[in-house]
Amino acid sequence: DIQMTQSPSSLSASVGDRVTITCRASQNIDTYLNWYQQKPGKAPKLLVYAASSLQSGVPSRFRGSGSGTDFTLSISSLQPEDVATYSCQQSFSTPQLTFGGGTKVEI
Amino acid sequence: QVQLQESGPGLVKPSQTLSLTCTVSGGSISSGDFYWSWIRRPPEKGLEWIGYIYYTGTTHYSPSLESRVTMSVDTSKNQFSLSLSSVTAADTAVYYCARVDPSSGWYVVDFWGQGTLVTVSS
Repeated sequence: DIQMTQSPSSLSASVGDRVTITCRASQNIDTYLNWYQQKPGKAPKLLVYAASSLQSGVPSRFRGSGSGTDFTLSISSLQPEDVATYSCQQSFSTPQLTFGGGTKVEI
Repeated sequence: QVQLQESGPGLVKPSQTLSLTCTVSGGSISSGDFYWSWIRRPPEKGLEWIGYIYYTGTTHYSPSLESRVTMSVDTSKNQFSLSLSSVTAADTAVYYCARVDPSSGWYVVDFWGQGTLVTVSS
């Protein structure tokens, strides 16, 4: 099974800061990596698919990058509405899907 | 716009079976373009994929839960369901039903229900 490890598990930053979240796969998953944002009390929302493609409607301050085993989700200028838990998900080993443990972003 | 809504008991006793239903509106389960999935988030933990079902009844389950999970689909009601047997406190979680789009090859989860908290306790 492919394991997905996110770091850090939580972080606190200031409005306007650049924030970087890392997701590491236990084996090569090419670019079969998606990112989700879950705000408190809400369902998760797709942010990035195929490692670096921004879902329609997602602000351009979000950026996904990486391939193989190491991936990054960046927020160029953190906003108050970005407080959420961010999760990565691999789809290389379909039909099995695996999520990372999540990164909680606070201000 | 597709909408999904979970329903079912919020409290289940240990060793019993957890049963949830997801009602889909704004789109047909029978369209054949998507997988219909269950995903959960235990308290203070990450999201966990439970499995998904195709409108034909074909299923794929997480290996870690496969022995206790059964999913079914009722296309006439545009619903799909989850049963998880022999539950323990470790099964306490917010359970989400969701739609998985495999068309791009990246199997994105593009629509989610609001989630329902299921607590396992006597």
